Amino acid sequence: SQTIHQWPATLVQPVGSPLSLECTVEGTSNPNLYWYRQAAGRGLQLLFYSVGIGQISSEVPQNLSASRPQDRQFILSSKKLLLSDSGFYLCAWSKGGRYNEQFFGPGTRLTVL
Amino acid sequence: AQSVAQPEDQVNVAEGNPLTVKCTYSVSGNPYLFWYVQYPNRGLQFLLKYITGDNLVKGSYGFEAEFNKSQTSFHLKKPSALVSDSALYFCAVREMNRDDKIIFGKGTRLHILP
Repeated sequence: SQTIHQWPATLVQPVGSPLSLECTVEGTSNPNLYWYRQAAGRGLQLLFYSVGIGQISSEVPQNLSASRPQDRQFILSSKKLLLSDSGFYLCAWSKGGRYNEQFFGPGTRLTVL
Repeated sequence: AQSVAQPEDQVNVAEGNPLTVKCTYSVSGNPYLFWYVQYPNRGLQFLLKYITGDNLVKGSYGFEAEFNKSQTSFHLKKPSALVSDSALYFCAVREMNRDDKIIFGKGTRLHILP
């Protein structure tokens, strides 16, 4: 069966510090991968998605970036965090194709102070 | 452009009563629709999906959803609510010609009152 991991689970960082959140998927190959941010326990904002190694699509211009160095690894980064980057970050994967649902990781709670 | 709406921010239901969480959509072409549930400080869990076929789709934890093409709705239902059903529910639609994206609604918070 497939599993998705995210770490760390929680993170408190000062403004201006760098960020690296990691997501890995097990039990499948060539998944589509996604990063979302959820603010105040409500709607999801799609940040980045990837359909293959080195292929990253950005949905929202901001100070975040994403990379996919391996097939089942997706990394969210920032060089300098802003207060507004605080939120709940969710990684998800899906098989390719329009019929397939997304499966979400447990999330990372980021607080920028 | 595709869109999905959840008109209720919050729904309160007494335990044991039937529940409905509403969702309407707008797509060009055939819709591919999904429901997810999120418990506090957790990731989203997939409940069910409509691709084609029967308008009543059965999913996890006793939930089902009714697809209504004429009303462009995909309401989530359960015959008898449990306190443990209290959570945040998201409706989603696959963006046409964009197999890689799903558009999520803003979510509806469901409170089941004991």
